[in-house]
Amino acid sequence: GAGVSQSPSNKVTEKGKDVELRCDPISGHTALYWYRQSLGQGLEFLIYFQGNSAPDKSGLPSDRFSAERTGGSVSTLTIQRTQQEDSAVYLCASSLRGEGSYEQYFGPGTRLTVT
Amino acid sequence: KQEVTQIPAALSVPEGENLVLNCSFTDSAIYNLQWFRQDPGKGLTSLLLIQSSQREQTSGRLNASLDKSSGRSTLYIAASQPGDSATYLCALSSNTGKLIFGQGTTLQVKP
Repeated sequence: GAGVSQSPSNKVTEKGKDVELRCDPISGHTALYWYRQSLGQGLEFLIYFQGNSAPDKSGLPSDRFSAERTGGSVSTLTIQRTQQEDSAVYLCASSLRGEGSYEQYFGPGTRLTVT
Repeated sequence: KQEVTQIPAALSVPEGENLVLNCSFTDSAIYNLQWFRQDPGKGLTSLLLIQSSQREQTSGRLNASLDKSSGRSTLYIAASQPGDSATYLCALSSNTGKLIFGQGTTLQVKP
């Protein structure tokens, strides 16, 4: 079956612009996670969705970052007024349930470059 | 706060050698531990998942062990091949599935 997909694969934007990153999880997976991978910080958790609600937003680095999930499926991560330090690879993952015992499957990521 | 450390940061071995990658963590209250592989410019591929109640998992030439009491996991790769060259990441799961990652070990297997 289809895996986790993300779009766009690459995004170059000017500092100060807003960007939207999209994630399509595996069909039937109720849990969805966003992570960020940058050179200096490694892989960091951003936000977790169970269904359409986000019980854990603790990893969002600032109020310029927001995410939503509609219909228990597609999720969008929005970064407003982008800064150069936002440049990173943004990875999305899904799992059958939002419980610690379930395996997570990752998408290919969106590489964001802020110039 | 859970911290995950992977040693070594980089490793270069000749083809055919058996090798061990190490992962240590500070809080033994984990739900599972996953080992991932990441190729340059690509996403993460799950290799093995060990539940907190398990001691090890095997898949082909890969074997992962988990010792919660000592806060350690190892990934054993048998008869390494050039195609095994990649970055290997271990990650611990909280009760909601949130993963905390180590910094990774970059492996190069030379033909």
